[in-house]
Amino acid sequence: VQLVESGGGLVQPGGSLRLSCTGSGFTFSNHPINWVRQAPGKGLEWVSYISSRSEAIKYAGSVRGRFTISRDNAKNSVHLQMNSLRDEDAAVYYCTRDSVAYAMDVWGQGTTVTVSS
Amino acid sequence: QSALTQPASVSGSPGQSITISCTGTSGDVGNYNYVSWYQQHPGKAPKLMIYDVSNRPSGVSDRFSGSKSGNTASLTISGLQAEDEADYYCNSYTNSDTLVFGGGTKLTVL
Repeated sequence: VQLVESGGGLVQPGGSLRLSCTGSGFTFSNHPINWVRQAPGKGLEWVSYISSRSEAIKYAGSVRGRFTISRDNAKNSVHLQMNSLRDEDAAVYYCTRDSVAYAMDVWGQGTTVTVSS
Repeated sequence: QSALTQPASVSGSPGQSITISCTGTSGDVGNYNYVSWYQQHPGKAPKLMIYDVSNRPSGVSDRFSGSKSGNTASLTISGLQAEDEADYYCNSYTNSDTLVFGGGTKLTVL
């Protein structure tokens, strides 16, 4: 059972980046997925949630209107499209699986997003 | 949504018990039993330790327990061990239909 994130990198302020999360070892389509981020030396911040069949989508206020979450269950993947990136969006981004409601029982290794000119 | 309030640090000696508090509001911790706790060692991804206030996932030591009273949730670690030294974060569902983490607590085993 694992989640693997990809797509991180260096982007200029105002730029865009698309993160991906691929799951394996479990029935991906049965589980909601979250994105959680952690700025360098800081705590965890919940970013976004997508239910198992995309019927429910949620965002933190800090990213609403700039980030878009989506999933493709046929490819066992979730994506986070990040636009209008700001300095404060720089962080390690983790994707996580919900086991029961809002309990994140599987975490990826994280992908690093750096926002700098 | 403001972060839940946790003490910045707690410490204890091996074998002792410690408790980490997580204070929210009636809009999150106080109104929902969707409170979870995560352990994070340096450079590692977090690990689920408690969910739904007091439930332990399979494989988590029974030295870890959770509870809630009013707007405050608590994580108790009994029989403290060196390997418990880590950062701990609480998380709650909110009435804004979002999730919120606490600021994190650094546990030092003396």
